[in-house]
Amino acid sequence: SAVISQKPSRDICQRGTSLTIQCQVDSQVTMMFWYRQQPGQSLTLIATANQGSEATYESGFVIDKFPISRPNLTFSTLTVSNMSPEDSSIYLCSVDGGQGGETQYFGPGTRLLVL
Amino acid sequence: QKEVEQNSGPLSVPEGAIASLNCTYSDRGSQSFFWYRQYSGKSPELIMSIYSNGDKEDGRFTAQLNKASQYVSLLIRDSQPSDSATYLCAVGPGGFKTIFGAGTRLFVKA
Repeated sequence: SAVISQKPSRDICQRGTSLTIQCQVDSQVTMMFWYRQQPGQSLTLIATANQGSEATYESGFVIDKFPISRPNLTFSTLTVSNMSPEDSSIYLCSVDGGQGGETQYFGPGTRLLVL
Repeated sequence: QKEVEQNSGPLSVPEGAIASLNCTYSDRGSQSFFWYRQYSGKSPELIMSIYSNGDKEDGRFTAQLNKASQYVSLLIRDSQPSDSATYLCAVGPGGFKTIFGAGTRLFVKA
């Protein structure tokens, strides 16, 4: 399975600021995903990031709030813009497991607290 | 709205017992089904995938799928305290639009 790292692992931010989360994979992958997991809740897909194309956002998530970059097959960033306390959450990147059937492997996550 | 439902638990079982985790889903067109384990403070880890009706066994884990009933389950035999975690059921309707349930917390008592 792919080894995935995320930076930062956690952060505390002031409202109105922005934070960029990095996701690095140890092998080339076609599809990368960004999820949000709020305390005690399940994972919600924010967007799918494919190299060489615009990210595809899920309902309720917009590019202005969560801009995503995917410059190559091993790296992606998610920016949480103009943060409010409601953005406090764990942000996870994941990658296509490459086994077919839509398996995914997850990074360790970024814990974000917005004050 | 496509949904995946799980009992939040906690499900408490003694060490050595069988833990049975259940999940229902709303989208009849779903083709792929997964169980992820998530330890507290950690990210989800894939433990089982199943794509056709019936049982699939992997070590102490057995996934069961019944598409007619829109039901998927996970059995953990010889449960160990290290199995204590939240188990997320996930359903893939296609196109990598995986939908995750809220998870069932499992506690295995030593």
